[in-house]
Amino acid sequence: DAKTTQPPSMDCAEGRAANLPCNHSTISGNEYVYWYRQIHSQGPQYIIHGLKNNETNEMASLIITEDRKSSTLILPHATLRDTAVYYCIVRSGNTPLVFGKGTRLSVIA
Amino acid sequence: EPEVTQTPSHQVTQMGQEVILRCVPISNHLYFYWYRQILGQKVEFLVSFYNNEISEKSEIFDDQFSVERPDGSNFTLKIRSTKLEDSAMYFCASTVRGHYEKLFFGSGTQLSVL
Repeated sequence: DAKTTQPPSMDCAEGRAANLPCNHSTISGNEYVYWYRQIHSQGPQYIIHGLKNNETNEMASLIITEDRKSSTLILPHATLRDTAVYYCIVRSGNTPLVFGKGTRLSVIA
Repeated sequence: EPEVTQTPSHQVTQMGQEVILRCVPISNHLYFYWYRQILGQKVEFLVSFYNNEISEKSEIFDDQFSVERPDGSNFTLKIRSTKLEDSAMYFCASTVRGHYEKLFFGSGTQLSVL
């Protein structure tokens, strides 16, 4: 079972930042936090991952709390194409990705 | 960006028939995976494959399922005798050795068992 807790759904206005929270209070020291998204039954798409430092790439930023028990994925300027289910996953080594139910983000014009 | 290719996009079969789902992973990738997603449910791990053998498999991946990399480019999932509950979207994924955090997923094959 997934080791993370995410809100089932969120709305965000187009052009605004989308902040998606994730709780992973039982994360262990060697587990990374990964974010994937799935746009309307397409294959999941990797977004970003991190261990303890904040990370940024061309898609998003990942903010991990100092105690690593929670994190936030930030899409800085959400567009309609960012409407998707976002999955927060904790994982160590080469273990399989275990997907939970994720957060359904709706970006509204 | 390179892509994982899956064929066919849709497959309809009769219960009890064998099906083979095909995937062409990204060319320099060495780890391969199958996942499935029943309509409205979570994406579920089935199997991982490396160096021509199964690395890990889930409880779903029973004796009815098998995987193969027959020719160095294709990666296939075979279901020997399909059941109604095998109806799902099946996703193939691959990753570069040492970069296993970033899985590249294909667009999936929708399998409908009648």
